[in-house]
Amino acid sequence: EIVLTQSPGTLSLSPGERVTLSCRASQNVNTNSLAWYQQRPGRAPRLLIYDTSNRAAGIPDRFGGSGSGTDFSLIIGRLEPEDFAVYYCLHYADSWTFGQGTKVEF
Amino acid sequence: EVQVVESGGGLVQPGGSLRLSCAASGFIFSNRWMHWVRQTPEKGLVWVSRINSDGTSTAYADFVKGRFTISRDNANDRLYLQMNSLRADDTAIYYCVATTPSTDSWGQGTLVTVSS
Repeated sequence: EIVLTQSPGTLSLSPGERVTLSCRASQNVNTNSLAWYQQRPGRAPRLLIYDTSNRAAGIPDRFGGSGSGTDFSLIIGRLEPEDFAVYYCLHYADSWTFGQGTKVEF
Repeated sequence: EVQVVESGGGLVQPGGSLRLSCAASGFIFSNRWMHWVRQTPEKGLVWVSRINSDGTSTAYADFVKGRFTISRDNANDRLYLQMNSLRADDTAIYYCVATTPSTDSWGQGTLVTVSS
């Protein structure tokens, strides 16, 4: 079973800053099987990135994804006020495994 | 508009049963693989189960195997999760998720509380 470890647990940032979130897998992951989600308080998760680097429909281009093997990243180019949220990585295959989340706070 | 709406949550005693439903609209339900995911503040998002588009293949997280059953009714665009032998640690918000290779749709969740 693949375990996803996200770091850091919490990031304290300001609008306009660039941020890189990390997701490390316990074993090699197919790049077609890694996604990123954003969850705002009281809301359902929203898909940002699928297949490591593809933006989902309607996602601004300040969001990007990269990685391979066991190390994956979500990059937010310039933080907007609405980007302060919790971010999860997800490995999807026959079953799903989520990371524990990184909170981006103001 | 693509929409999934969960229902059926509530308060149940340990050892009891509950059946969650998910009503889908705005897309061809019978084309989508469907998942249940739950969330607690302590454990975050945790995958529970999935079913393929025609209902012939299912998968479960180890912690619900033998207790939960996922099923679907493609004629009525509905997904179900039958939950038996509920435990306190099954307390969570349960989300229904409709997936394609490049997108997904989540409901707003239904709260299940297992407590005496």
